[in-house]
Amino acid sequence: ELKVEQNPLFLSMQEGKNYTIYCNYSTTSDRLYWYRQDPGKSLESLFVLLSNGAVKQEGRLMASLDTKARLSTLHITAAVHDLSATYFCAVDKGNTGNQFYFGTGTSLTVIP
Amino acid sequence: EPEVTQTPSHQVTQMGQEVILRCVPISNHLYFYWYRQILGQKVEFLVSFYNNEISEKSEIFDDQFSVERPDGSNFTLKIRSTKLEDSAMYFCASRDDGNTIYFGEGSWLTVV
Repeated sequence: ELKVEQNPLFLSMQEGKNYTIYCNYSTTSDRLYWYRQDPGKSLESLFVLLSNGAVKQEGRLMASLDTKARLSTLHITAAVHDLSATYFCAVDKGNTGNQFYFGTGTSLTVIP
Repeated sequence: EPEVTQTPSHQVTQMGQEVILRCVPISNHLYFYWYRQILGQKVEFLVSFYNNEISEKSEIFDDQFSVERPDGSNFTLKIRSTKLEDSAMYFCASRDDGNTIYFGEGSWLTVV
């Protein structure tokens, strides 16, 4: 069974601090996605990582992918309150884009 | 900006009743999906649909579930005889030939 685990599950951090969310997965896959979900809302695509060593940055968020270690990270730089949300990584089983396995989610709260 | 739209946003149904959840994917998209998220849990893949047929499905997608694209725009998920454990947020999603899957706002299903 494919497992996708995120660490930590809950994260409370002060504004201005840096932190990293980790996503480990148990299958061979070259594609990994990060999504953001606000309470009661849909999933917003943040990053699409399509190869080993891929790194993408958008604002205060940076995502990377190490397919050999089966690990992706989402790094938060100088957090602000607006980043409070739940962040999910998702692994593309079979690299077809047709079946995502989502991680457990990391609930991030940024405290002013 | 084009978006995936879902109806109803919330439905309450009695156990054993049939439910149809409707989705209008983004117009030029070719691949369609249903995912679900039980309250407070991770997002789970149900089914993917391409070229008028199911391309992949998960163990959750048993005989109680079916999908249909009855015309050129709608994509539906039917649950034949709902159970309490079917209570969840159901997300429709779609993509074109690219790698990003776009999710709708979701349909809350409450089975009582």
